[in-house]
Parts: sequence; C-alpha cells; structure tokens
Amino acid sequence: NAGVTQTPKFQVLKTGQSMTLQCAQDMNHNSMYWYRQDPGMGLRLIYYSASEGTTDKGEVPNGYNVSRLNKREFSLRLESAAPSQTSVYFCASRPLQGVHGYTFGSGTRLTVV
Amino acid sequence: AQSVSQHNHHVILSEAASLELGCNYSYGGTVNLFWYVQYPGQHLQLLLKYFSGDPLVKGIKGFEAEFIKSKFSFNLRKPSVQWSDTAEYFCATDRGSTLGRLYFGRGTQLTVWP
Repeated sequence: NAGVTQTPKFQVLKTGQSMTLQCAQDMNHNSMYWYRQDPGMGLRLIYYSASEGTTDKGEVPNGYNVSRLNKREFSLRLESAAPSQTSVYFCASRPLQGVHGYTFGSGTRLTVV
Repeated sequence: AQSVSQHNHHVILSEAASLELGCNYSYGGTVNLFWYVQYPGQHLQLLLKYFSGDPLVKGIKGFEAEFIKSKFSFNLRKPSVQWSDTAEYFCATDRGSTLGRLYFGRGTQLTVWP
C-alpha cells in the first residue's frame, strides 16, 4: 500500500541513549517532515526537507538531527535522549504538484526514562 | 506568532447534535486551508481542504467547512455527529505555499456521547 512508513512504532530509551527513527514514502513526494505531538501542544515541526539534498530546522530542532538519505527516506536521530523528548513522533510527506496536504505516517511513540 | 488558532480545546456533544469547530488564521495573503482528524491512537488524516473557488467545501464523513476571508476563518461543521466522530481535529494552513510546510492549530478534542 502506498503511503508513509515509520519504524519503530514504539520505543523505550534510557536517558543518554541514542536512536534513529526511520521514515520512508513511496509516493514520489518531494517534501518530508518530522513533527512531535505532545498533549495540549499540537504538532510542532522538528525538521523538514523541502527536496532531496536539503534539510532545514523547524520550531523545535534542539536535540535532534536528520538525514535525507534519498528521495524516499528521511530519518530523525536523537543523539542523547532526554526525558523531555518523550513524545509521539510523526513523519509526513507532501507532493510538489497541486494543493495537497500532508500524508502522515502512523507515528512512533517514544518514552525516555 | 501563531498562524492558526483553534478556539475550543475540548468540545463535548451528544449524538445527533450539530458541530461547529472554530479556526482562525493570521496570514494575510493567499491561503490554502486544511482540516485533519486524528482518531484515538492513530495518525492524522485529511478531512477536507480549501484552496480556491467555492468557499463551502465538503469533505469525508459528512464534514464541511466554510472559508470566510473577511473573518480569516475556516470553521468545520457537521449537522449531526456520531459517537464515531470522537477524535481530535486540527486546522492547518500552508500560507499559500504549495511547496511549504503546514502550520497547525493546537487541536480540538471532540467527545461524542452515545
């Protein structure tokens, strides 16, 4: 099925551990995004990639890094996890042509203890 | 500055009641507007979008929204809600840039009692 695939779906980390969240889309979309969702805060943009080879900071980039590996894949890395990074992370993509919103992945629920 | 404001944080209704969720945007130029729904434990799904033409747009599951440019509003409506409409609803805009990111409101939690 076409769409945005995120892995893993759930993860528990200890403070200071590192991990990479994977995201891949098979819709040939140009733009890809990483958001975090916290209760009462809505969705906050962490990083985005307007096209292959480019990445830019969003509203809350501290503590994260990203890699746009190719047109399909956009990964999010936590180098040294902190409890404040406990959240649900969503990857999304958007096509270049037409007026379209995002297609979202199913999310990664991350707990940092 | 917040680009999108959703006035109601939590709305509670009984089945068959009518729904209107408020959304205001602060961008002054051409805008494209979206409503997303997030069912419990799931990701966001597009309900409807407005980009031009008829300001009354219809989406899936009986939802509609009206774009009122003079009021900078894009309110979501449904004549008769069902228990299955219990979800969180997000309004968003891309500020007219089809290449750019979306700016989301903080969401409105809708609870429908059977």
